[in-house]
Amino acid sequence: AIRMTQSPSSLSASTGDRVTITCRASQGISSYLAWYQQKPGKAPKLLIYAASTLQSGVPSRFSGSGSGTDFTLTISCLQSEDFATYYCQQYYSYPRLTFGGGTKVEIK
Amino acid sequence: EVQLVESGGGLVQPGGSLRLSCAASGFTFSSYEMNWVRQAPGKGLEWVSYISSSGSTIYYADSVKGRFTISRDNAKNSLYLQMNSLRAEDTAVYYCARDGIAAAGIFDYWGQGTLVTVSS
Repeated sequence: AIRMTQSPSSLSASTGDRVTITCRASQGISSYLAWYQQKPGKAPKLLIYAASTLQSGVPSRFSGSGSGTDFTLTISCLQSEDFATYYCQQYYSYPRLTFGGGTKVEIK
Repeated sequence: EVQLVESGGGLVQPGGSLRLSCAASGFTFSSYEMNWVRQAPGKGLEWVSYISSSGSTIYYADSVKGRFTISRDNAKNSLYLQMNSLRAEDTAVYYCARDGIAAAGIFDYWGQGTLVTVSS
């Protein structure tokens, strides 16, 4: 199975900060990568797919990049509603999908 | 508006069974692949099972293979997960998720989840 490793597992940031989260795949997955945001007690929400395509309705301060094994999610100017846990997910081995362990973005 | 509503969770003893349901509305259910994804308390997301739009193709995670059965009823716009021989490690919130973008494993809509607790 393809393993997805996210770093850091948590970070503290302030509103207005630029935040970058990294996701590494155990083997090349081309651009078959999605990012999700999850708030406590809620279902995950799709942010980005195909490594860099923004899902409809997602603010443009979110962006994704990368291909192969290394990917990043960037939040250009952190807003209060962005404090959440973020997961990467590979779908290269569809339908056998795997998620990263998550990155919790907390208020500094 | 797309809606997915899970039900059927609850407390069950180890070795017991439970059947989860996911009621879909707001889209043509029979045109979409569907999945179950679970999340143990305080943990990350784990893909559990996939079913094609017609129901003819099914996959399972190794952790549930042989114990869980996914199915769907397109006439009733419903997805199911029959869970047998439940273990403590199956304790989780179970989400149904629509495979909505290019049928490629990108989950554009999720239900609110239903909690399954396996404990004596």
